[in-house]
Amino acid sequence: DAMVIQNPRYQVTQFGKPVTLSCSQTLNHNVMYWYQQKSSQAPKLLFHYYDKDFNNEADTPDNFQSRRPNTSFCFLDIRSPGLGDAAMYLCATSRDLTGGGYTFGSGTRLTVV
Amino acid sequence: EDQVTQSPEALRLQEGESSSLNCSYTVSGLRGLFWYRQDPGKGPEFLFTLYSAGEEKEKERLKATLTKKESFLHITAPKPEDSATYLCAVQPLIKAAGNKLTFGGGTRVLVKP
Repeated sequence: DAMVIQNPRYQVTQFGKPVTLSCSQTLNHNVMYWYQQKSSQAPKLLFHYYDKDFNNEADTPDNFQSRRPNTSFCFLDIRSPGLGDAAMYLCATSRDLTGGGYTFGSGTRLTVV
Repeated sequence: EDQVTQSPEALRLQEGESSSLNCSYTVSGLRGLFWYRQDPGKGPEFLFTLYSAGEEKEKERLKATLTKKESFLHITAPKPEDSATYLCAVQPLIKAAGNKLTFGGGTRVLVKP
């Protein structure tokens, strides 16, 4: 089945130690998104890629970066994780930017110690 | 700025006790309103898309409706397996917003046998 896969499902990192989360998709969708979801809160869009074009949300901290080396893969890099960055990170895809919903991955739960 | 407010925050139901979840929204032109189901520790799973006031969609025990200001998710005769967080999201018509979904905080539903 075509899907969105996030690895790892659970990630524990030390305060200040760079960490990378991974997302891959077999849907061949043009757009990939990263959302941050803190406990019992709404998912918050960090940024998205339309093909190779990167679009950052205005309030996304500089600590968060992203890479999309090809259509299938997208990475979320957190350069210096703080305790406030502990959250579920959700990767999602959509076919294009003309409407329609997303297909989400299962998420990566990040713990910062 | 697009805003989505969901109520109640939490809902406890007995099996078979029907109820409704509310999603109130403000958006500069609605392209679509989306309902997702999210199980603990997992990514959101798509349920419905509604595009215009008066539209209704059904899936098993769930029925979603849409007006110009709000959407309702009706759960008829719920079963314990309907326990989850239900998320509502809006997508604006403005082209500059791309395909961005703005989510509400969700309603946590617990159905007891």
